[in-house]
Amino acid sequence: GEDVEQSLFLSVREGDSSVINCTYTDSSSTYLYWYKQEPGAGLQLLTYIFSNMDMKQDQRLTVLLNKKDKHLSLRIADTQTGDSAIYFCAERSRDDMRFGAGTRLTVKP
Amino acid sequence: DAGVIQSPRHEVTEMGQEVTLRCKPISGHDYLFWYRQTMMRGLELLIYFNNNVPIDDSGMPEDRFSAKMPNASFSTLKIQPSEPRDSAVYFCASSSGNIQYFGAGTRLSVL
Repeated sequence: GEDVEQSLFLSVREGDSSVINCTYTDSSSTYLYWYKQEPGAGLQLLTYIFSNMDMKQDQRLTVLLNKKDKHLSLRIADTQTGDSAIYFCAERSRDDMRFGAGTRLTVKP
Repeated sequence: DAGVIQSPRHEVTEMGQEVTLRCKPISGHDYLFWYRQTMMRGLELLIYFNNNVPIDDSGMPEDRFSAKMPNASFSTLKIQPSEPRDSAVYFCASSSGNIQYFGAGTRLSVL
């Protein structure tokens, strides 16, 4: 079946940039999403990109989409300790939405 | 809007007991989803509704699990009888288009 994959862990120093990567297999994906989950909380939508776009920027967040390689990335500039969380990549096609396993971002002071 | 509201936030029960999880979606949303999150399996879609009608329940693990949506503002996920392996965080999400909004989840512990 179709799949969404992302690395499980990422550790960065405060002030550095973080890049979280995701690959997916469904070529009919229409929307791709990044969600953030803090401890004890639900998933919070951070940003999303339509499949005919290749980049979207929103303050410290930059999403890059390479549709040919089915690769999505989330760059967080000037990473802060408050950015420590689990980040989920998700893709939507027709009525299906699939989530990756999540990348745990740890920000060290 | 207060967002998607789930209750209870935490539930501790004994094996064999019935458990009912509740969800109030965002007003006006016509899709409602139930997910389960565990360390081992990540986020799994259990079932989703469109206009109160179950559309896909292929993710429901067993007959012990059932979900209902009697009206547009309320849904329940019931486990009867519960087992220790059902221990997880259960999320409800709702949407009216391309974005799903999640509740804070119910952390279920079955002893």
